[in-house]
Amino acid sequence: DVKVTQSSRYLVKRTGEKVFLECVQDMDHENMFWYRQDPGLGLRLIYFSYDVKMKEKGDIPEGYSVSREKKERFSLILESASTNQTSMYLCASTTRQDYGYTFGSGTRLTVV
Amino acid sequence: GENVEQHPSTLSVQEGDSAVIKCTYSDSASNYFPWYKQELGKGPQLIIDIRSNVGEKKDQRIAVTLNKTAKHFSLHITETQPEDSAVYFCAASKGSNYQLIWGAGTKLIIKP
Repeated sequence: DVKVTQSSRYLVKRTGEKVFLECVQDMDHENMFWYRQDPGLGLRLIYFSYDVKMKEKGDIPEGYSVSREKKERFSLILESASTNQTSMYLCASTTRQDYGYTFGSGTRLTVV
Repeated sequence: GENVEQHPSTLSVQEGDSAVIKCTYSDSASNYFPWYKQELGKGPQLIIDIRSNVGEKKDQRIAVTLNKTAKHFSLHITETQPEDSAVYFCAASKGSNYQLIWGAGTKLIIKP
């Protein structure tokens, strides 16, 4: 069964900490995405990558960075976590020929 | 900028009745319109999609209709069952690199 795996389901971090969220897909997909999901706001795109070492800003990149050193792994980095980054974070991937996204189960991050 | 409006935000229907969720998009270049279902504790999962050269698509109890002139599309679920309870997201394609613009989501509640 093809899969997108997010390393943690729940995380609690302190304000100012550097936080790494990891996402791995086993489908050889070229495109990978990081979203945050907040009630009433739907899914908002933080960053996406369409190839190894390539990245593009989404709609809300401030306070975040990403890394894609290998095709199967896309990491989201919160350089200095703040309470307003408390949210559900979703990773997704898709091929270059297909809009059909496969999502991970999400990481619920709480910053205290 | 481009956006997708989704209504209603919450929909409660009696088991066995039909449910309809509506979305309106703004980008005339959008040509792909998926619907995702998100169950509690899981990532969104693609349930049906439609491309701009088709007006209607059906898969068992779910169907999607598209009106390109009016720029709106709808999800129809017939004979609703308890397992249909979830949050549903519509989306529209945006530009290249297989990005999607997302609606805010509809929480569907099936009353027994």
